[in-house]
Order: sequence, then C-alpha cells, then structure tokens
Amino acid sequence: DAGVTQSPTHLIKTRGQQVTLRCSPKSGHDTVSWYQQALGQGPQFIFQYYEEEERQRGNFPDRFSGHQFPNYSSELNVNALLLGDSALYLCASSLITGTGQFFGPGTRLTVL
Amino acid sequence: GENVEQHPSTLSVQEGDSAVIKCTYSDSASNYFPWYKQELGKRPQLIIDIRSNVGEKKDQRIAVTLNKTAKHFSLHITETQPEDSAVYFCAASLAGGGADGLTFGKGTHLIIQP
Repeated sequence: DAGVTQSPTHLIKTRGQQVTLRCSPKSGHDTVSWYQQALGQGPQFIFQYYEEEERQRGNFPDRFSGHQFPNYSSELNVNALLLGDSALYLCASSLITGTGQFFGPGTRLTVL
Repeated sequence: GENVEQHPSTLSVQEGDSAVIKCTYSDSASNYFPWYKQELGKRPQLIIDIRSNVGEKKDQRIAVTLNKTAKHFSLHITETQPEDSAVYFCAASLAGGGADGLTFGKGTHLIIQP
C-alpha cells in the first residue's frame, strides 16, 4: 500500500516563472491538503481539495491555485514566483470523515 | 483565525528522562489536536492526536493531555531515547481528522543527550 507521494523532489525556478507540483494521496484517501513550510517554521495551510473542488483556503494569494483529479491526485500551481515562495511544499492526504492527515515527502522549491 | 503557540522552542533532556512540550490555541471552536514528529530532511509524521471530547490519550511512551477550558494541550514523552530527537509540531483544527486545514505551532527541537 503506497503512502503519499509527491513530485518532483526538488525544483529550481527564477522569479516570475510558474511552477506545478504534484501529489498522489494514500490509497483510499479522498482529500488532499497543501502546506508551505519555510525553513525552521511549522507548515502553513494553503488549501484543501475534496471532490475535485477547493473546500477550504488559508491566507495565501490567488497566485496559488490547485486542482484535484477524479483519481484524487492533486496539483499545486504557483504563478509569478517570488523569492519568498522558496520553501518545502507538503501535501497531506486524509479521509473527509476524519482519519488524521498523512504527509508526503515534500517538494523543495528554490526561487532564484 | 486560529493561532497556535508552542513552547519551548528547544528542549534538551537526558536519555531516560521525560520531556513535555506545551501548546496553546486561540479558537475555542477547535476540536482536533494532532502532534507531528519531523526528523531532519523528512516528512512530518503523525504520532498522536486527540479530539476535544477526550482529556487524555496514551500510546506507549507518548501521551497527550487537553485542557479545553484553558485552551492548552501538551505532549508527554517518557523514558526518552536517542531516536526521539527531532522537531515536534503541535496543530489544531476545527474539525476532526482530515476534514479541515491544520494550524501549526512553530515547533520544538527536542534533543536527547546520551
């Protein structure tokens, strides 16, 4: 039974570019949440997807957008990258009925 | 929105001793309080969680207590071992389990001294 997977592992972009990160949830899970973790900080909630719709959103600008596919996998898109977007991006999968959120290994994004 | 404060930021204990990490939250409507362990370069791992209808929960050497009136919760690790060294995060959300986004504390770096 595969756990949560994310791709790519690392990514380097320049300011102003756009990036897409991918997440496959744990088998049987239907909900994907995305978090941004700056160095030395706790994860910050970006948004959550369930039934292919954004269900909840944290305090992030609309440069951050996402998508969930019928197979429950999800993408996080960030437009017009800023230096401050450099961070570890984590996705977490869960059941909407409440099982706890389980994290993937993350994608390390560096913006130059 | 919810705000979670976590203390201390660094905790050093002798191997075999107990460690306690404390968190406070601001939103009295929060109902779910998980704890995560993150080793260097790895993903956060859910180690224990508690819902607001329970005051205490134990899992082997780990326990979590919740005081809803005071809006604080704590992680207790007994008989600490070298493999307990990591950064620990507390979190809170309105709904139980995976149904809501989590608000995290800033983390506690736990160091187990041999």
